[in-house]
Amino acid sequence: DTAVSQTPKYLVTQMGNDKSIKCEQNLGHDTMYWYKQDSKKFLKIMFSYNNKELIINETVPNRFSPKSPDKAHLNLHINSLELGDSAVYFCASRLGQGGYNEQFFGPGTRLTVL
Amino acid sequence: AQSVTQLDSHVSVSEGTPVLLRCNYSSSYSPSLFWYVQHPNKGLQLLLKYTSAATLVKGINGFEAEFKKSETSFHLTKPSAHMSDAAEYFCVVSRRSQGNLIFGKGTKLSVKP
Repeated sequence: DTAVSQTPKYLVTQMGNDKSIKCEQNLGHDTMYWYKQDSKKFLKIMFSYNNKELIINETVPNRFSPKSPDKAHLNLHINSLELGDSAVYFCASRLGQGGYNEQFFGPGTRLTVL
Repeated sequence: AQSVTQLDSHVSVSEGTPVLLRCNYSSSYSPSLFWYVQHPNKGLQLLLKYTSAATLVKGINGFEAEFKKSETSFHLTKPSAHMSDAAEYFCVVSRRSQGNLIFGKGTKLSVKP
């Protein structure tokens, strides 16, 4: 059973389009995250949700809108896609908000904006 | 503020020789420290974590790391490299009271036959 799953795995789209990436975890965790990994492999947090509430919102353009319908899901919607949005997006989950628990990562979604 | 510095962007070793991936951290608070591994086109997998218990931490696949507060280091080691160890390795710091992970820039490990 996959612990943290993301769909789609690959996403190729044109500039200006709107797209969504879905994330689901079956670990019973209450905190979920979105990370962006750039072409140099650098990972940076974008958002964090705890029990469906937004906890962390880093400096991310408001074209990015996360949505958490329940504790097991955290989706990422992106409006008006730009070339610079091309990256790998990782979803992660954790039990609680304390830093002592590790995060479990999904396999990633490779977004290519043409 | 917290930060992580991985001192080598690329490390190349021969199969069967020791691996050393270096990491220094900066934290105003008691940190939790992690090492994650990312194989090509895969997600991140936890290798090991330090959260205030023993300073020498053993992880999966024969890896271990030692927390040295005086040196603010958390270097990752393995006695004998295997071809399957070739991957990108990330050192990560977090405040124990909060879950925000701060990633280093990664070290790419190459293993030569």
